Amino acid sequence: EPEVTQTPSHQVTQMGQEVILRCVPISNHLYFYWYRQILGQKVEFLVSFYNNEISEKSEIFDDQFSVERPDGSNFTLKIRSTKLEDSAMYFCASSRDRMNTEAFFGQGTRLTVV
Amino acid sequence: AQKVTQAQTEISVVEKEDVTLDCVYETRDTTYYLFWYKQPPSGELVFLIRRNSFDEQNEISGRYSWNFQKSTSSFNFTITASQVVDSAVYFCALSEPNTGTASKLTFGTGTRLQVTL
Repeated sequence: EPEVTQTPSHQVTQMGQEVILRCVPISNHLYFYWYRQILGQKVEFLVSFYNNEISEKSEIFDDQFSVERPDGSNFTLKIRSTKLEDSAMYFCASSRDRMNTEAFFGQGTRLTVV
Repeated sequence: AQKVTQAQTEISVVEKEDVTLDCVYETRDTTYYLFWYKQPPSGELVFLIRRNSFDEQNEISGRYSWNFQKSTSSFNFTITASQVVDSAVYFCALSEPNTGTASKLTFGTGTRLQVTL
């Protein structure tokens, strides 16, 4: 069964460093998403991406964040200068269409900023 | 604006008990989708079900069942004869596909279910 894969599963970084979280969406999907879950809290939408551009972004997704689809398979989330409060689980998701018939989630990347 | 409320923060049951997880949503759209996801201790999000706003039929899948009632804006999830492996955090979520280019999911705060022997 096709799945969304994320790497790494866990990343520890020092405050102020740049991190890139990687995702490989399901191959025939066209819509891509990043969500964040701070420990013990709800899953929050960060950004959606379609046709090589951002479709929508939340208030959380400020200038420190950027997304890119550098090639035909990867979808990345970059945090330019990490802060302690960026520590969270980051989920990538993809869906075949805008209707979100089923958004498939990756297993998540746990980011720890120290 | 869309909103999902899961008023139950944590529920503890003994194995074989039935348990219902509540979900109440708010939306101005007439077309929307409701979801349930399971998050086991390992952390991933496991898709359980999606319902669209035009289909109010209840659904049963094994020990799981879902009750969708538009009149009360609720989409409740029942686990029959709970098992220890059901212990997880369960999230209800809502999407409004007619808003924006790609429809995002709005999640509730989750209900932690603890099933003990």
